[in-house]
Amino acid sequence: AQSVTQPDIHITVSEGASLELRCNYSYGATPYLFWYVQSPGQGLQLLLKYFSGDTLVQGIKGFEAEFKRSQSSFNLRKPSVHWSDAAEYFCAVGPRLGSGGYQKVTFGTGTKLQVIP
Amino acid sequence: DAGVTQSPTHLIKTRGQQVTLRCSPKSGHDTVSWYQQALGQGPQFIFQYYEEEERQRGNFPDRFSGHQFPNYSSELNVNALLLGDSALYLCASSLVALASTGELFFGEGSRLTVL
Repeated sequence: AQSVTQPDIHITVSEGASLELRCNYSYGATPYLFWYVQSPGQGLQLLLKYFSGDTLVQGIKGFEAEFKRSQSSFNLRKPSVHWSDAAEYFCAVGPRLGSGGYQKVTFGTGTKLQVIP
Repeated sequence: DAGVTQSPTHLIKTRGQQVTLRCSPKSGHDTVSWYQQALGQGPQFIFQYYEEEERQRGNFPDRFSGHQFPNYSSELNVNALLLGDSALYLCASSLVALASTGELFFGEGSRLTVL
């Protein structure tokens, strides 16, 4: 069964500092990987996704993530955090289409990011 | 291009009642998935509908049921509500196709409070 672990429940960073949010997944093969962001009381917005090819993927709002197969990790990074980045971040894993055609995406428990001035 | 829309946005029910939540997928999408997000938790997969049939189901009891209509919109029904059903219910749409990347597009959610 697929699963996602986000070991950090809460992270606080200063505005302008760099950020790395950790994500480890469990899946029998190389899955599709996603990072979503959720502002309070809102739905989830896709930040970036990895399907194949270059293991460093770029997303919106200056975020990037690196897929490391050997470590089963997909960590999210941002070189300089802005106050507006304060939100909850979810890593997610889904099977490659073609394996039944239907997509069950599994989410981690999330990391809440606080940004201090 | 309309995104995923859900209704109602907020509702309050009492234990034992039944609730119906509605979702219209993003234009061009044919698949709807429902997730339950309890306070402080990540979204938990309830089920997925494609071609008006339930295709995959998570670890939720039969009190949770759904439907997909020919226009791809969907309903989530929960019977015999329990206090523990209080949560944000998220609808997500996607496209089932070999060329699709399968990414989910989410609505704003329906916040259900059970008293």
